[in-house]
Amino acid sequence: DTAVSQTPKYLVTQMGNDKSIKCEQNLGHDTMYWYKQDSKKFLKIMFSYNNKELIINETVPNRFSPKSPDKAHLNLHINSLELGDSAVYFCASSWGQGAVYEQYFGPGTRLTVT
Amino acid sequence: SQQGEEDPQALSIQEGENATMNCSYKTSINNLQWYRQNSGRGLVHLILIRSNEREKHSGRLRVTLDTSKKSSSLLITASRAADTASYFCATDHLGSGGSNYKLTFGKGTLLTVNP
Repeated sequence: DTAVSQTPKYLVTQMGNDKSIKCEQNLGHDTMYWYKQDSKKFLKIMFSYNNKELIINETVPNRFSPKSPDKAHLNLHINSLELGDSAVYFCASSWGQGAVYEQYFGPGTRLTVT
Repeated sequence: SQQGEEDPQALSIQEGENATMNCSYKTSINNLQWYRQNSGRGLVHLILIRSNEREKHSGRLRVTLDTSKKSSSLLITASRAADTASYFCATDHLGSGGSNYKLTFGKGTLLTVNP
């Protein structure tokens, strides 16, 4: 069974479109994250939710809106996509927030904006 | 910036050799983690070392932490072709809200183990 799953795996879309990426974890974790990995492999946190509450929002444009309907799901909606949004987006989860907890990563969603 | 910096950026070795990767960071930490990322996959946690620990082992992995030098190293002994991956260190820092900790990742070391 996949611990952290994301859909879709690949997303190709045009500038200006709106798209969503879904994430689910079946580990019973309380905390979930969205990360963005650019073409140089630099991985940067975007958001973190703890028990459906937003706890970290790292200067991400307002076009990005996370939603956590329950603690097992964290979705990412992106409005008005731009070329610079092209990247691999990773969802992750952990038992708690803070670096004492290991994070479990999903397989990633490769977003290409043309 | 607060991120860790791995060194070297790329490392190519032969199977059976040891691989050492280094990570330096700028501000005091509570914990440091190492992750592996195979090409096209998500990151996998390898080991966590706390700021009051100096060394930890897990199988063929050995991690050291020198808080006075703000640096850590990851040693993989007797490397295998399957160890080919990118390796990242991650340190904890307060998020922009000031009350919750986040993991800040370095840019990684790409390790290639040749059979």
